[in-house]
Amino acid sequence: QSALTQPPSASGSPGQSVTISCTGTSSDVGGYNYVSWYQQHPGKAPKLMIYEVSKRPSGVPDRFSGSKSGNTASLAVSGLQAEDEADYYCSSYAGSNTYVFGTGTKVTVL
Amino acid sequence: QVQLVQSGAEVKKPGASVKVSCKASGYTFTSYGISWVRQAPGQGLEWMGWISTYNGNTNYAQKFQGRVTMTTDAFTSTAYMELRRLRSDDTAVYYCARGAPFRFDPWGQGTLVTVPS
Repeated sequence: QSALTQPPSASGSPGQSVTISCTGTSSDVGGYNYVSWYQQHPGKAPKLMIYEVSKRPSGVPDRFSGSKSGNTASLAVSGLQAEDEADYYCSSYAGSNTYVFGTGTKVTVL
Repeated sequence: QVQLVQSGAEVKKPGASVKVSCKASGYTFTSYGISWVRQAPGQGLEWMGWISTYNGNTNYAQKFQGRVTMTTDAFTSTAYMELRRLRSDDTAVYYCARGAPFRFDPWGQGTLVTVPS
Protein backbone atom coordinates (compact mmCIF):
# COMPACT_ATOMS: atom_id res chain seq x y z
CA GLN A 1 0.00 0.00 0.00
CA SER A 2 1.65 3.24 -1.13
CA ALA A 3 1.35 6.44 0.85
CA LEU A 4 -1.03 9.09 -0.41
CA THR A 5 0.72 12.01 -2.09
CA GLN A 6 0.70 15.44 -0.44
CA PRO A 7 2.77 18.53 -1.23
CA PRO A 8 5.70 18.82 1.20
CA SER A 9 4.87 22.39 2.13
CA ALA A 10 2.28 25.14 1.91
CA SER A 11 2.22 28.65 3.29
CA GLY A 12 0.14 31.74 3.66
CA SER A 13 0.00 35.02 5.53
CA PRO A 14 -2.29 35.50 8.52
CA GLY A 15 -5.88 35.85 7.35
CA GLN A 16 -5.20 34.20 4.01
CA SER A 17 -6.24 30.73 2.89
CA VAL A 18 -4.25 27.63 2.08
CA THR A 19 -5.35 24.39 0.44
CA ILE A 20 -3.58 21.03 0.74
CA SER A 21 -4.15 18.20 -1.71
CA CYS A 22 -4.04 14.47 -1.02
CA THR A 23 -3.86 12.20 -4.06
CA GLY A 24 -4.48 8.48 -3.96
CA THR A 25 -6.06 5.88 -6.20
CA SER A 26 -9.44 4.36 -6.87
CA SER A 27 -8.57 1.74 -4.23
CA ASP A 28 -8.42 4.28 -1.43
CA VAL A 29 -9.34 7.97 -1.74
CA GLY A 30 -11.44 7.49 -4.86
CA GLY A 31 -13.16 4.36 -3.64
CA TYR A 32 -14.50 5.47 -0.27
CA ASN A 33 -15.79 8.60 1.41
CA TYR A 34 -13.59 7.88 4.42
CA VAL A 35 -10.86 10.48 4.09
CA SER A 36 -9.75 12.14 7.32
CA TRP A 37 -7.25 14.89 8.10
CA TYR A 38 -4.94 15.32 11.10
CA GLN A 39 -3.03 18.28 12.49
CA GLN A 40 0.24 17.61 14.29
CA HIS A 41 2.24 20.21 16.17
CA PRO A 42 5.92 19.45 16.88
CA GLY A 43 6.34 16.86 19.60
CA LYS A 44 2.59 16.30 19.92
CA ALA A 45 0.19 13.57 18.93
CA PRO A 46 -1.93 14.10 15.82
CA LYS A 47 -5.40 15.62 16.22
CA LEU A 48 -8.42 14.81 14.07
CA MET A 49 -9.57 17.86 12.08
CA ILE A 50 -11.84 16.42 9.36
CA TYR A 51 -13.45 13.00 8.90
CA GLU A 52 -15.56 11.37 6.20
CA VAL A 53 -14.18 13.86 3.66
CA SER A 54 -15.88 16.98 4.97
CA LYS A 55 -17.21 16.52 8.51
CA ARG A 56 -15.74 18.52 11.39
CA PRO A 57 -15.51 17.12 14.92
CA SER A 58 -16.90 19.36 17.62
CA GLY A 59 -14.38 21.93 18.68
CA VAL A 60 -12.64 22.22 15.30
CA PRO A 61 -13.06 25.75 13.89
CA ASP A 62 -15.16 26.10 10.75
CA ARG A 63 -12.11 27.66 9.11
CA PHE A 64 -11.15 24.07 8.33
CA SER A 65 -13.03 22.35 5.52
CA GLY A 66 -12.58 19.23 3.43
CA SER A 67 -13.63 18.06 -0.01
CA LYS A 68 -12.94 15.33 -2.53
CA SER A 69 -12.98 14.97 -6.30
CA GLY A 70 -12.11 11.63 -7.84
CA ASN A 71 -8.88 10.31 -6.36
CA THR A 72 -7.89 13.62 -4.77
CA ALA A 73 -9.04 15.01 -1.44
CA SER A 74 -8.33 18.51 -0.21
CA LEU A 75 -8.13 20.35 3.09
CA ALA A 76 -8.72 24.09 3.05
CA VAL A 77 -7.80 26.40 5.90
CA SER A 78 -9.22 29.90 5.66
CA GLY A 79 -8.38 32.89 7.83
CA LEU A 80 -4.96 31.47 8.67
CA GLN A 81 -3.85 31.97 12.25
CA ALA A 82 -0.45 31.48 13.84
CA GLU A 83 -1.65 28.37 15.68
CA ASP A 84 -2.49 26.70 12.34
CA GLU A 85 1.23 26.31 11.67
CA ALA A 86 1.72 22.54 11.88
CA ASP A 87 2.09 19.36 9.87
CA TYR A 88 -1.06 18.03 8.27
CA TYR A 89 -1.70 14.44 7.22
CA CYS A 90 -4.53 12.93 5.25
CA SER A 91 -5.65 9.35 5.70
CA SER A 92 -7.96 7.12 3.73
CA TYR A 93 -9.68 3.81 4.28
CA ALA A 94 -8.27 1.37 1.71
CA GLY A 95 -10.65 -1.56 2.08
CA SER A 96 -10.43 -4.81 4.07
CA ASN A 97 -9.89 -2.94 7.34
CA THR A 98 -6.71 -1.26 6.12
CA TYR A 99 -5.76 2.41 6.10
CA VAL A 100 -3.13 4.55 4.45
CA PHE A 101 -1.70 7.94 5.40
CA GLY A 102 -0.48 10.78 3.25
CA THR A 103 3.13 11.91 3.08
CA GLY A 104 2.39 15.01 5.13
CA THR A 105 2.39 18.76 4.47
CA LYS A 106 4.11 21.39 6.57
CA VAL A 107 1.98 24.52 6.73
CA THR A 108 3.85 27.73 7.49
CA VAL A 109 2.11 30.94 8.51
CA LEU A 110 4.29 33.72 7.13
CA GLN B 1 -13.16 12.65 28.77
CA VAL B 2 -11.99 10.06 26.27
CA GLN B 3 -8.30 9.40 26.83
CA LEU B 4 -5.63 6.94 25.77
CA VAL B 5 -2.52 6.73 27.95
CA GLN B 6 0.48 4.82 26.67
CA SER B 7 3.41 3.21 28.43
CA GLY B 8 6.80 4.89 28.72
CA ALA B 9 9.79 5.08 26.40
CA GLU B 10 11.81 1.96 25.67
CA VAL B 11 15.34 1.26 24.48
CA LYS B 12 15.82 -2.18 22.93
CA LYS B 13 18.68 -4.05 21.31
CA PRO B 14 18.43 -5.20 17.70
CA GLY B 15 16.63 -8.52 17.50
CA ALA B 16 14.70 -7.96 20.73
CA SER B 17 10.95 -7.43 21.15
CA VAL B 18 8.99 -4.50 22.57
CA LYS B 19 5.45 -4.43 23.94
CA VAL B 20 3.68 -1.07 24.17
CA SER B 21 0.47 -0.63 26.16
CA CYS B 22 -2.43 1.77 25.64
CA LYS B 23 -4.96 2.22 28.46
CA ALA B 24 -8.32 3.66 27.49
CA SER B 25 -10.74 5.60 29.69
CA GLY B 26 -13.84 7.71 29.32
CA TYR B 27 -15.77 5.40 26.99
CA THR B 28 -16.90 1.81 26.56
CA PHE B 29 -13.68 0.09 25.54
CA THR B 30 -15.29 -2.71 23.53
CA SER B 31 -17.33 -0.32 21.37
CA TYR B 32 -14.38 0.91 19.31
CA GLY B 33 -11.36 -0.74 17.75
CA ILE B 34 -7.80 0.42 18.30
CA SER B 35 -5.29 1.20 15.56
CA TRP B 36 -1.54 1.50 15.95
CA VAL B 37 0.42 4.09 13.97
CA ARG B 38 4.12 4.81 14.05
CA GLN B 39 6.25 7.81 13.12
CA ALA B 40 9.99 7.53 12.54
CA PRO B 41 12.06 10.60 13.45
CA GLY B 42 11.31 13.44 11.03
CA GLN B 43 9.06 11.19 8.96
CA GLY B 44 5.35 10.78 8.30
CA LEU B 45 2.68 8.61 9.86
CA GLU B 46 2.53 4.90 9.05
CA TRP B 47 -0.50 2.73 9.83
CA MET B 48 0.54 -0.58 11.37
CA GLY B 49 -2.72 -2.36 12.02
CA TRP B 50 -6.03 -2.55 13.81
CA ILE B 51 -7.64 -4.72 16.46
CA SER B 52 -11.27 -5.16 17.35
CA THR B 53 -11.64 -4.72 21.10
CA TYR B 54 -14.94 -6.60 20.84
CA ASN B 55 -13.70 -9.95 19.52
CA GLY B 56 -9.93 -9.60 19.11
CA ASN B 57 -9.96 -9.75 15.32
CA THR B 58 -6.88 -8.13 13.85
CA ASN B 59 -5.72 -6.74 10.53
CA TYR B 60 -2.06 -5.89 10.07
CA ALA B 61 -0.37 -3.85 7.37
CA GLN B 62 1.44 -6.21 5.02
CA LYS B 63 4.77 -4.66 5.98
CA PHE B 64 4.43 -5.85 9.57
CA GLN B 65 2.82 -9.26 8.99
CA GLY B 66 4.65 -11.92 10.99
CA ARG B 67 6.44 -9.42 13.19
CA VAL B 68 3.62 -7.65 15.03
CA THR B 69 0.93 -8.88 17.40
CA MET B 70 -1.89 -6.72 18.71
CA THR B 71 -3.95 -7.82 21.70
CA THR B 72 -6.45 -6.34 24.12
CA ASP B 73 -7.59 -6.86 27.70
CA ALA B 74 -11.20 -5.79 28.13
CA PHE B 75 -11.00 -6.11 31.93
CA THR B 76 -8.39 -3.37 32.15
CA SER B 77 -9.44 -1.51 28.95
CA THR B 78 -5.91 -1.85 27.67
CA ALA B 79 -4.57 -2.56 24.19
CA TYR B 80 -1.10 -3.89 23.48
CA MET B 81 1.20 -3.87 20.47
CA GLU B 82 4.21 -6.19 20.38
CA LEU B 83 6.83 -5.82 17.68
CA ARG B 84 9.47 -8.53 17.38
CA ARG B 85 12.90 -8.84 15.74
CA LEU B 86 13.53 -5.13 16.16
CA ARG B 87 15.85 -3.32 13.76
CA SER B 88 17.34 0.14 13.91
CA ASP B 89 14.76 1.39 11.41
CA ASP B 90 12.01 0.49 13.89
CA THR B 91 13.12 3.48 15.96
CA ALA B 92 9.97 5.59 16.07
CA VAL B 93 7.19 7.02 18.17
CA TYR B 94 4.39 4.48 18.35
CA TYR B 95 0.83 5.78 18.78
CA CYS B 96 -2.41 4.05 19.57
CA ALA B 97 -5.62 5.67 18.38
CA ARG B 98 -9.28 4.86 18.85
CA GLY B 99 -10.92 3.76 15.62
CA ALA B 100 -14.09 5.71 15.70
CA PRO B 101 -14.79 4.20 12.97
CA PHE B 102 -12.94 5.04 9.74
CA ARG B 103 -11.01 7.71 11.59
CA PHE B 104 -8.51 7.92 14.42
CA ASP B 105 -9.73 9.91 17.41
CA PRO B 106 -8.32 10.46 19.92
CA TRP B 107 -4.66 9.45 19.95
CA GLY B 108 -2.43 8.36 22.78
CA GLN B 109 0.49 10.56 23.71
CA GLY B 110 2.95 8.28 21.91
CA THR B 111 5.71 5.93 23.05
CA LEU B 112 9.27 6.39 21.81
CA VAL B 113 10.96 3.10 21.00
CA THR B 114 14.67 3.40 20.30
CA VAL B 115 16.69 0.60 18.70
CA PRO B 116 20.36 1.66 18.57
CA SER B 117 22.24 0.43 15.52
